[in-house]
Amino acid sequence: GENVGLHLPTLSVQEGDNSIINCAYSNSASDYFIWYKQESGKGPQFIIDIRSNMDKRQGQRVTVLLNKTVKHLSLQIAATQPGDSAVYFCAERDGYGQNFVFGPGTRLSVLP
Amino acid sequence: EPEVTQTPSHQVTQMGQEVILRCVPISNHLYFYWYRQILGQKVEFLVSFYNNEISEKSEIFDDQFSVERPDGSNFTLKIRSTKLEDSAMYFCASSGTGIEAFFGQGTRLTVV
Repeated sequence: GENVGLHLPTLSVQEGDNSIINCAYSNSASDYFIWYKQESGKGPQFIIDIRSNMDKRQGQRVTVLLNKTVKHLSLQIAATQPGDSAVYFCAERDGYGQNFVFGPGTRLSVLP
Repeated sequence: EPEVTQTPSHQVTQMGQEVILRCVPISNHLYFYWYRQILGQKVEFLVSFYNNEISEKSEIFDDQFSVERPDGSNFTLKIRSTKLEDSAMYFCASSGTGIEAFFGQGTRLTVV
């Protein structure tokens, strides 16, 4: 899939810095969230997930924070690398359905 | 590493023609999904499939769309009479537990 420069929020960071990508979700019944990374011409790639009974989860170089009070999700990438350049989507699922609802995406650009 | 594979990578078809998009989900997964992404827009849910039947579908998934699992490995999406607005990237995803979802690389459908 491509999100070629069409009104996507963009975050530019220097290589080696930390990145924080934010996502607001709308459904208070959502109980499970995933962050996906999508590189140009490729499908969404699973990065990290979190259930609604947690407020933080850490992976390798990535951390997801969930604030259910304000319905906000963030993805933190430590020591951002050029290979992290992509569009990042948060996806939410409510406890009743099978489908994921994707956010609009944020383009991360890593500057040398 | 197991992955979802989709064929073809690009399909061009004339308006009004039928197309079949093919997917091989990850082996032993039981939940299957189709999503689409119109250029520059977010990923949208079409349909989920479990136990040989549709478990959920969106408003986009009208009578022109159908899904099938013709054998033990393939999962197909058929569009009966394509319209110009069906042009998009179509992503297949599968899940072992019905919780997380792993996506294929997508099929770009262009209707002319």
